[in-house]
Amino acid sequence: TQLLEQSPQFLSIQEGENLTVYCNSSSVFSSLQWYRQEPGEGPVLLVTVVTGGEVKKLKRLTFQFGDARKDSSLHITAAQPGDTGLYLCARGNFNKFYFGSGTKLNVKP
Amino acid sequence: SQTIHQWPATLVQPVGSPLSLECTVEGTSNPNLYWYRQAAGRGLQLLFYSVGIGQISSEVPQNLSASRPQDRQFILSSKKLLLSDSGFYLCAWIPLAGGSYEQYFGPGTRLTVT
Repeated sequence: TQLLEQSPQFLSIQEGENLTVYCNSSSVFSSLQWYRQEPGEGPVLLVTVVTGGEVKKLKRLTFQFGDARKDSSLHITAAQPGDTGLYLCARGNFNKFYFGSGTKLNVKP
Repeated sequence: SQTIHQWPATLVQPVGSPLSLECTVEGTSNPNLYWYRQAAGRGLQLLFYSVGIGQISSEVPQNLSASRPQDRQFILSSKKLLLSDSGFYLCAWIPLAGGSYEQYFGPGTRLTVT
């Protein structure tokens, strides 16, 4: 199957803390995307990782693609209330896309 | 620049009634188009995708159908809604050229079946 598992399912932290969320699969990805979604809105693309071992940074967000291209992580440094949302990973396979179940992040001020 | 529209934004429909949700994309040609459904706070389930006018692929058998009457228009329909059809429906597109896997989503339609 094309199952993507995300962990943790829920995360509630204080402003200023660091956190890491994970996206894992038993299959190899050709690429993987991370999205952030706010309640009542569509997901917004954050980053695409393609190469095994790749690390991409987007301000306080660091995305890593595993060497074997079966897993990925998103690390947020010094989280802010504006980081609150549902973080989704997704993989593409030809014309189809498969999403993980998401990590719901709440950053308390 | 490209934009994607969905309407209506919210909809409350009784069980057994028909459904029509519309999605249009501006500023691009020949995109791949997608319909997803999302349960509250959860991931997205791919329902249908289309690589061109009149070309529809169904991912999940159910009482929904999709059509693409024009290049940048994608419609999700049902003849008789079920309670289980409630959810947040999202339309998305990707540029056909370049092999991109980066999807761009519309604002969504919140459907409640009562």
